[in-house]
Amino acid sequence: GQQVMQIPQYQHVQEGEDFTTYCNSSTTLSNIQWYKQRPGGHPVFLIQLVKSGEVKKQKRLTFQFGEAKKNSSLHITATQTTDVGTYFCAVAPHSSNTGKLIFGQGTTLQVKP
Amino acid sequence: GAGVSQSPSNKVTEKGKDVELRCDPISGHTALYWYRQRLGQGLEFLIYFQGNSAPDKSGLPSDRFSAERTGESVSTLTIQRTQQEDSAVYLCASSLVVQVRLNTEAFFGQGTRLTVV
Repeated sequence: GQQVMQIPQYQHVQEGEDFTTYCNSSTTLSNIQWYKQRPGGHPVFLIQLVKSGEVKKQKRLTFQFGEAKKNSSLHITATQTTDVGTYFCAVAPHSSNTGKLIFGQGTTLQVKP
Repeated sequence: GAGVSQSPSNKVTEKGKDVELRCDPISGHTALYWYRQRLGQGLEFLIYFQGNSAPDKSGLPSDRFSAERTGESVSTLTIQRTQQEDSAVYLCASSLVVQVRLNTEAFFGQGTRLTVV
């Protein structure tokens, strides 16, 4: 079945440092979504990427979708303590004719003030 | 309400008992998902509904797990003869799938924390 690998599993940074998490799939993806889950909370949608090579920005967050539509990254510039949480990518397999949504294992970000 | 609602928010049950978890999706959302999240872990896909049909049940861990959806609205996840390894947060999400292979944003409920003792 569809698998998506997300790395790293954990990242500890000093406030002000940058952070990147990567999501990789062995198969071509229809689209990819990114979610953030704060400690004790539920996942909240951040963004969706659909086109090959797409780049989208939300303030200090930059999202990229690979040219082959098999990988994606989320980059946070100058982290703040409010960025703490677990970041998940979620994918809909290209081969799927349903709306099935599979989540990566997540990258947990800790930010030291 | 405006969001996805799950009940109960917490459930403690004895090993061997059956439990039912309920999800009320956002009105009009055709897609409904159930996920399991163990402590400190990722989201494990359980089942997905499009309307009242479940085209993909591949994530259900065993035949003790079942789910249904009625009226293209409420869904219940039933776990029979609960085991301690079933302890987790069960998350429900809904979304408006407007075309095949193009998902839209999934809205999550707060989850049901299940503890099997």
